[in-house]
Amino acid sequence: GQQVMQIPQYQHVQEGEDFTTYCNSSTTLSNIQWYKQRPGGHPVFLIQLVKSGEVKKQKRLTFQFGEAKKNSSLHITATQTTDVGTYFCKDNFNKFYFGSGTKLNVKP
Amino acid sequence: GAVVSQHPSWVICKSGTSVKIECRSLDFQATTMFWYRQFPKQSLMLMATSNEGSKATYEQGVEKDKFLINHASLTLSTLTVTSAHPEDSSFYICSARATLTDALSGEQYFGPGTRLTVT
Repeated sequence: GQQVMQIPQYQHVQEGEDFTTYCNSSTTLSNIQWYKQRPGGHPVFLIQLVKSGEVKKQKRLTFQFGEAKKNSSLHITATQTTDVGTYFCKDNFNKFYFGSGTKLNVKP
Repeated sequence: GAVVSQHPSWVICKSGTSVKIECRSLDFQATTMFWYRQFPKQSLMLMATSNEGSKATYEQGVEKDKFLINHASLTLSTLTVTSAHPEDSSFYICSARATLTDALSGEQYFGPGTRLTVT
């Protein structure tokens, strides 16, 4: 079946450093969503990407959807301690599969 | 914004008993609700999708008779774990999608989750 893999699994950065997580699918995605889950919390919707090559920005977060619509990335510029959490991508076609997640830890 | 609640937030039960988890959309009508399970340090696994007034669609490998899902109204879905065993211990999270706009935007609103421990 369809799998959505994320790398890296963990990332430890110093506050102020940049961070990127990558999401790769074995099949072409209709669209992709990104979520953030704080420790002990529930996933919070960040954004949805639909178009091939689409790039969207939310303040320090930049989301990209690959040209082939098989991969996506989330880039955080100048991380802050409030960015701590696990970032998941999710296929939003007819099956709502979450990626494996990337856990971000930011050291002050 | 849209709020989804879950009850209880945590529950401990004995092996062999059944546990019911409620998922409510507080300020909107949820035409579609989703149930996920999350084991420690793992991703969320979709268990089933339910639409109000119809039978839930279960993912492959999820036992329908063990995880009973009811979506009787536009604001309430329930998940009943029947004859629970220790391996059913997990974090169960529901999410809801409201309108056609949400379906187009893809946004789902997640509940806070229910932590189930089966002893």
